[in-house]
Amino acid sequence: DGGITQSPKYLFRKEGQNVTLSCEQNLNHDAMYWYRQDPGQGLRLIYYSQIVNDFQKGDIAEGYSVSREKKESFPLTVTSAQKNPTAFYLCASSIDSGPSYNEQFFGPGTRLTVL
Amino acid sequence: AQSVAQPEDQVNVAEGNPLTVKCTYSVSGNPYLFWYVQYPNRGLQFLLKYITGDNLVKGSYGFEAEFNKSQTSFHLKKPSALVSDSALYFCAVRANFMNTGFQKLVFGTGTRLLVSP
Repeated sequence: DGGITQSPKYLFRKEGQNVTLSCEQNLNHDAMYWYRQDPGQGLRLIYYSQIVNDFQKGDIAEGYSVSREKKESFPLTVTSAQKNPTAFYLCASSIDSGPSYNEQFFGPGTRLTVL
Repeated sequence: AQSVAQPEDQVNVAEGNPLTVKCTYSVSGNPYLFWYVQYPNRGLQFLLKYITGDNLVKGSYGFEAEFNKSQTSFHLKKPSALVSDSALYFCAVRANFMNTGFQKLVFGTGTRLLVSP
């Protein structure tokens, strides 16, 4: 899992609560990403950030929010507007997200369960 | 549409036998292809990538992949499987995201590899 940490490993949320998932990297990477993984569906992009203080919506951004105030940190908030938040959440980073072809490095993931 | 297909949900192989995990892609322009492995409740680990050059790409843990442009395939292979290779394998391709100029990774749905002793 390289130099990317995610916390907590397991998270339980009650209906109507917002929760924040932490992602930190010490790889000095410019680009960071959040994915959602559901069984049989592969990974889907929630948000991405190509540089500090900038972020963009991915394919399934509704009900989620992010910030990128520091290069090494990219927290994801799952809001009460996300109707089906139970999933495995993966954070990733890469040197950059331009037309270069560097691979992404992934954190260990956070499993979120709605009670 | 830009996509990746992994036609097999699961591949079973005996230890010591060769293994193949299949991947086909659909993307405009030159394809940039990746293979990742995921162990239970863990993040994805990079195995190898194809950008250009030799069609046979060698990667981590003895894995290799063969790029075939005419068949739009990028199958993952290993000459001799180990029980410890049992995991979930994802194929991915770089693809343009809308008209943003950003290139995202499009992942397949994954193939579970089960290596029996």
